[in-house]
Amino acid sequence: DAMVIQNPRYQVTQFGKPVTLSCSQTLNHNVMYWYQQKSSQAPKLLFHYYDKDFNNEADTPDNFQSRRPNTSFCFLDIRSPGLGDAAMYLCATSRQGSDNSPLHFGNGTRLTVT
Amino acid sequence: AQSVTQLGSHVSVSEGALVLLRCNYSSSVPPYLFWYVQYPNQGLQLLLKYTSAATLVKGINGFEAEFKKSETSFHLTKPSAHMSDAAEYFCAVSRPGGYQKVTFGTGTKLQVIP
Repeated sequence: DAMVIQNPRYQVTQFGKPVTLSCSQTLNHNVMYWYQQKSSQAPKLLFHYYDKDFNNEADTPDNFQSRRPNTSFCFLDIRSPGLGDAAMYLCATSRQGSDNSPLHFGNGTRLTVT
Repeated sequence: AQSVTQLGSHVSVSEGALVLLRCNYSSSVPPYLFWYVQYPNQGLQLLLKYTSAATLVKGINGFEAEFKKSETSFHLTKPSAHMSDAAEYFCAVSRPGGYQKVTFGTGTKLQVIP
């Protein structure tokens, strides 16, 4: 089945130690998103790629970066994680040119910062 | 700007009872509307979407939602709750045109009491 896969499901990192979360998709969608979701809150969009074009949300901290080396893969880099960055990170995809194309989510990576 | 408001962060129903989760939207243009469900430690899954073709939208797992422009509402209903419906439900809105840049509501946790 076509899907969005996030690895790892659970990630523990130390305060200030860089960490990378990965996302891959077999849907061949050309838009990929990273959301941050804290406990009992709505997902918050960090940034997205429209093909190779990177689009950062205005309030996304500089500590968060992203890479998309090809259509299938997208990475979220947190350069110096703080305790406040502990959250579920969700990757999603959608199809360009179809206004009502829904988001397809992976199962998320839960990040713990110690 | 577009937004959605979900009334009630927690809703409890008895098994077999009607489920009603409320969502009101604000949009300067006719919106696209979605309901997503999130089970613990998983990503979001699309329940249903409003595409302007029909005001009553049927989704998966027996859920449906009705778009009411006069009330700016898109409430989610299910005639008979099942234990497996216990989850968090997010209403979402996007602006037509191009890819999906989605704004989520704050979510409603549904508890089903046996």
